[in-house]
Amino acid sequence: AQSVTQLGSHVSVSEGALVLLRCNYSSSVPPYLFWYVQYPNQGLQLLLKYTTGATLVKGINGFEAEFKKSETSFHLTKPSAHMSDAAEYFCAVSALTGGGNKLTFGTGTQLKVEL
Amino acid sequence: DAGVIQSPRHEVTEMGQEVTLRCKPISGHNSLFWYRQTMMRGLELLIYFNNNVPIDDSGMPEDRFSAKMPNASFSTLKIQPSEPRDSAVYFCASSLTGGNSPLHFGNGTRLTVT
Repeated sequence: AQSVTQLGSHVSVSEGALVLLRCNYSSSVPPYLFWYVQYPNQGLQLLLKYTTGATLVKGINGFEAEFKKSETSFHLTKPSAHMSDAAEYFCAVSALTGGGNKLTFGTGTQLKVEL
Repeated sequence: DAGVIQSPRHEVTEMGQEVTLRCKPISGHNSLFWYRQTMMRGLELLIYFNNNVPIDDSGMPEDRFSAKMPNASFSTLKIQPSEPRDSAVYFCASSLTGGNSPLHFGNGTRLTVT
């Protein structure tokens, strides 16, 4: 079974500061890992994903995440926060079961960006 | 690419009424998912289909909930009878089969049951 833990349901940063959103996963098989972003009144949008290969993956809007197997982590970072980054962020892990893929989501982290 | 299309965007109904939510997945995608999002419980997977066949419905809360996928381009989620605790945002998502395939979400249906 797969699971995801996101530390911190709310994170607040100043504009221009580093963004760090934490995600730890549990998986009995090599995981596929995803970060999604949700803006108000919208569905989730894919930010980036890790499948195999390079452990540092880059996504849209300047975000990146690093897969660290030894730490079972997949933290999301952005060097400089922008006001438009304010949203809710979800980490997810995938399990390929029964002919389909099934994502398990974390509980989300609300990012607030202040002037 | 029109993305995943859900209708209606908002639904307000009275307790006891039947509610039907609709979803059109992205053309070519063969997996379809229904999620429910609430403040208390976050994102919950209700059911998912692969090639129009229900694979896992263990997340469907009660017999009041049912989902169908009569063809590759259409799915419905029905609640009958609806209850106030069903109030939530319901998302449909689609993807290609494969654990590394990301889900593409619709904009959701906000259901309010009074």
